[in-house]
Amino acid sequence: AQSVSQHNHHVILSEAASLELGCNYSYGGTVNLFWYVQYPGQHLQLLLKYFSGDPLVKGIKGFEAEFIKSKFSFNLRKPSVQWSDTAEYFCAVNPEGYNKLIFGAGTRLAVHP
Amino acid sequence: DTEVTQTPKHLVMGMTNKKSLKCEQHMGHRAMYWYKQKAKKPPELMFVYSYEKLSINESVPSRFSPECPNSSLLNLHLHALQPEDSALYLCASSQGWDEANTEAFFGQGTRLTVV
Repeated sequence: AQSVSQHNHHVILSEAASLELGCNYSYGGTVNLFWYVQYPGQHLQLLLKYFSGDPLVKGIKGFEAEFIKSKFSFNLRKPSVQWSDTAEYFCAVNPEGYNKLIFGAGTRLAVHP
Repeated sequence: DTEVTQTPKHLVMGMTNKKSLKCEQHMGHRAMYWYKQKAKKPPELMFVYSYEKLSINESVPSRFSPECPNSSLLNLHLHALQPEDSALYLCASSQGWDEANTEAFFGQGTRLTVV
């Protein structure tokens, strides 16, 4: 069965620190990949997405992610986090041919001023 | 308009009540979804409608009954729920995963409490 693994469940950083959140998926075929963010009390918002082409994708708010096909990974990065980045981050995968989005367990990020 | 609108935002219901959650989108999307999200957990897929037909039911108990009256609307009818069904219910829509480069748009959710 397809699954998505996020390695870090809780991450605590100080402002200006760099961020990398891991995401791995298990599916041998073509996938569409997404990172969503959920700020406290708010709905899911799309940070960035990968469909094809350049494996390094840039999203909103200074986030980027790199698709490494050989590692089945789609890690999220930000060079310098801000207090306002405190939120929960979900990696999600749409395996080609499957009419659904599969979410990872999420990573709760807390950024301290 | 890139919004998925869900009503109500909050709902408290008793275990013998019947209630409905509503979802609406005007993006011309042909796939609509219900997800359930418990606190500190990821969204879990419940149902998928594709071209107004139910295409996926992830073994959801029959006390949850989805309905897609037209391509813009999606309802979730609730009956005889249990306290453990308390959660955030999210609606989403997309062009349909059979089309290339599609993405899902999520509503703000209905926070349901069963008492």
